[in-house]
Amino acid sequence: AQSVTQPDIHITVSEGASLELRCNYSYGATPYLFWYVQSPGQGLQLLLKYFSGDTLVQGIKGFEAEFKRSQSSFNLRKPSVHWSDAAEYFCAVDNYGQNFVFGPGTRLSVLP
Amino acid sequence: EPEVTQTPSHQVTQMGQEVILRCVPISNHLYFYWYRQILGQKVEFLVSFYNNEISEKSEIFDDQFSVERPDGSNFTLKIRSTKLEDSAMYFCASSADGSGYTFGSGTRLTVV
Repeated sequence: AQSVTQPDIHITVSEGASLELRCNYSYGATPYLFWYVQSPGQGLQLLLKYFSGDTLVQGIKGFEAEFKRSQSSFNLRKPSVHWSDAAEYFCAVDNYGQNFVFGPGTRLSVLP
Repeated sequence: EPEVTQTPSHQVTQMGQEVILRCVPISNHLYFYWYRQILGQKVEFLVSFYNNEISEKSEIFDDQFSVERPDGSNFTLKIRSTKLEDSAMYFCASSADGSGYTFGSGTRLTVV
């Protein structure tokens, strides 16, 4: 069965520091991969997605992610974190066009 | 930018009561989904709907759940007899082609 793991439950970084959130997936074919962000009490906002082509994808709010097939990873990065980036981040894989399988999420806290 | 609209944003209901959660997907989208997120847990797939019928459902989506597209714009999730464990955030999503969703902001259901 398809699965997504996000090894870090909670990460704390200082404002201005760089960020990397890890995502690993288990999938039998070329995956469609997504990162969503959820602010407290809010819905899910799409940050970026990977379907094919360039393995480094750019998203909104200065985020990027790199697809590494050899490592089954799709890590999210941002060079300089802002206080408003504090939220829950979910990695997801498209399950053969049927639905999405989400990872458990990583909560990001940002120190002033 | 087109949005998926969900109403109400928060609903409190007594155990055993029926609830209907409403969603207005993006107007030209053809694929519709419901997901839920129990507090502090990951987002879980419930059901997908295409061409006026359920195309996929999870084991969570048992006989107490049903979905309907009663007219050309609304997409509803009905829970027939709510249980305490149905308390969760319910997200509606829609997609034009089955890949890459737009999520609504969710309905927080509290069963007391």
